[in-house]
Amino acid sequence: EAGVVQSPRYKIIEKKQPVAFWCNPISGHNTLYWYRQNLGQGPELLIRYENEEAVDDSQLPKDRFSAERLKGVDSTLKIQPAELGDSAVYLCASSLSSTGATGELFFGEGSRLTVL
Amino acid sequence: AQSVSQHNHHVILSEAASLELGCNYSYGGTVNLFWYVQYPGQHLQLLLKYFSGDPLVKGIKGFEAEFIKSKFSFNLRKPSVQWSDTAEYFCAVKANQAGTALIFGKGTTLSVSS
Repeated sequence: EAGVVQSPRYKIIEKKQPVAFWCNPISGHNTLYWYRQNLGQGPELLIRYENEEAVDDSQLPKDRFSAERLKGVDSTLKIQPAELGDSAVYLCASSLSSTGATGELFFGEGSRLTVL
Repeated sequence: AQSVSQHNHHVILSEAASLELGCNYSYGGTVNLFWYVQYPGQHLQLLLKYFSGDPLVKGIKGFEAEFIKSKFSFNLRKPSVQWSDTAEYFCAVKANQAGTALIFGKGTTLSVSS
């Protein structure tokens, strides 16, 4: 079974440039998450989707971050314009359902962003 | 809102030493508890989880964790670590109700010397 796929693995940009990350969750997983992991910290939730609906985006900095999950499968996270403080690893995860009994999340390898 | 605290930022052990990583959470209701591990260069993967029942849960690679409700703790243990256990370990908690997200601690880096 294929896992969660993310791209690109690494991205280096200058500040004020835009950047986009893509995620393909595990087939059949209705719930998709974007987390941000700063150096030396645990992952922090940015947004959670149930199918194509963003049900929790309270931690997403909406002035510069946006996300979409068209057709309830793949998702894209965009930053425009990027700031120095956005340097982090952006993790995508999926689960069968956030309301399900297991609650287990499956993570991708992450996209490491460096903003210069 | 729930939160997770991991007491040790960096733990250094020799092979065969015993391991215990502390994790405390704050939330008054029922929770699901997890330990995730991230080996160097790899993605986060589930080590073990607790939902209900026996508070002592066993995971992969000889790890176990004990849920102590009165202490709001979910400490991770392994009786004898190996060099291959070198990784970053994250405790995570999810309130057992619809619409809640998984909250992670800051992580503990374990370095095992051979």
